[in-house]
Amino acid sequence: NAGVMQNPRHLVRRRGQEARLRCSPMKGHSHVYWYRQLPEEGLKFMVYLQKENIIDESGMPKERFSAEFPKEGPSILRIQQVVRGDSAAYFCASSPGSPNTEAFFGQGTRLTVV
Amino acid sequence: GEDVEQSLFLSVREGDSSVINCTYTDSSSTYLYWYKQEPGAGLQLLTYIFSNMDMKQDQRLTVLLNKKDKHLSLRIADTQTGDSAIYFCAETPGGSQGNLIFGKGTKLSVKP
Repeated sequence: NAGVMQNPRHLVRRRGQEARLRCSPMKGHSHVYWYRQLPEEGLKFMVYLQKENIIDESGMPKERFSAEFPKEGPSILRIQQVVRGDSAAYFCASSPGSPNTEAFFGQGTRLTVV
Repeated sequence: GEDVEQSLFLSVREGDSSVINCTYTDSSSTYLYWYKQEPGAGLQLLTYIFSNMDMKQDQRLTVLLNKKDKHLSLRIADTQTGDSAIYFCAETPGGSQGNLIFGKGTKLSVKP
């Protein structure tokens, strides 16, 4: 049973480009959470999704950011028109149910905007 | 508001005990967690405690919860150099959908 898989591990984008971050939850997990970690900071919740539904997006910036978790395939966090301030580590976590007693985290995608 | 506070740094000698402290604000939090993050890596769940417990022990790790003071601590016995990492305290606020609120992390340095 593979863990939470995120790809790519590292992503470099120029300002104005789009960034797509993928997360495949653990087998049997239908709940996915995205977090952002700025340098020297803790993780900040962004969005919580179940299959085909956004449950809580209270931590998502209002513009340029979107997330989906389709019926088939990984969850995608999409950042349009990236800016330098988007440079961060983006972590995905999955759990089998909510409230999660144990959320398993992926290794993260480190986005650098140049 | 929701805020989890931790001291930023802790330095100990190998073999000593480490105690990492955390305060949280939401008294209705159901679970409280400790995660470990090594450089360039993701988060590893070390242990968690349900809010109706006072203490939980797991090998070298002891978690103490003081609900009255909203204080959580993680004690690592016989600290090893491999324990050097950043330790994050996190809570699941009451009424949340399961998302976690994290502290900024405590960087533990273990000197040989």
